Amino acid sequence: DAMVIQNPRYQVTQFGKPVTLSCSQTLNHNVMYWYQQKSSQAPKLLFHYYDKDFNNEADTPDNFQSRRPNTSFCFLDIRSPGLGDAAMYLCATTLNPGPTAHTQYFGPGTRLTVL
Amino acid sequence: AQSVTQLDSQVPVFEEAPVELRCNYSSSVSVYLFWYVQYPNQGLQLLLKYLSGSTLVKGINGFEAEFNKSQTSFHLRKPSVHISDTAEYFCAVSEGDDKIIFGKGTRLHILP
Repeated sequence: DAMVIQNPRYQVTQFGKPVTLSCSQTLNHNVMYWYQQKSSQAPKLLFHYYDKDFNNEADTPDNFQSRRPNTSFCFLDIRSPGLGDAAMYLCATTLNPGPTAHTQYFGPGTRLTVL
Repeated sequence: AQSVTQLDSQVPVFEEAPVELRCNYSSSVSVYLFWYVQYPNQGLQLLLKYLSGSTLVKGINGFEAEFNKSQTSFHLRKPSVHISDTAEYFCAVSEGDDKIIFGKGTRLHILP
């Protein structure tokens, strides 16, 4: 089945130690998103790619970076995780931007713990 | 800028009873509206969406929602809930660009 896969499902890191979260998709979608979801809060968009074009949200901290080496893969790098970065990180895809393609397909998420 | 308000953070409902989860939005332009469901330890899954046309939208798992432009609402309903409907429900809005804005979510508790 075509899907969005996130690895690992659970990640534990130490304060200040860089960490990379992975997302892959077999849907061949052009747009990939990274969201941060803290407990009992709405998913918050960090950035997204339309093909290779990177779109950063204005309030996304510089500590968060992303890479998309090809259509299938997208990575979230947290350069120096702080305690406040502990959250669920969700990857999502959609075929193309625009209103008729707003069914976003989500991965299961990676829960990040910062010690 | 658009925003979404889900007034109820938690809704307890007895099994087989009807439920309504409320959602209000604000936007200065035409919007597209969505309901997503998140089961425990999983990602979000689209329940239904309103893009245009009929204001009553039917989705998966027996859910439906009605777009009310005058009241800027998009409430989600189900006539009879099951224990398997226990989840968090997110209302979301888009103005047609690449992004959707989520509400804070409503946790649906099904009571036996």
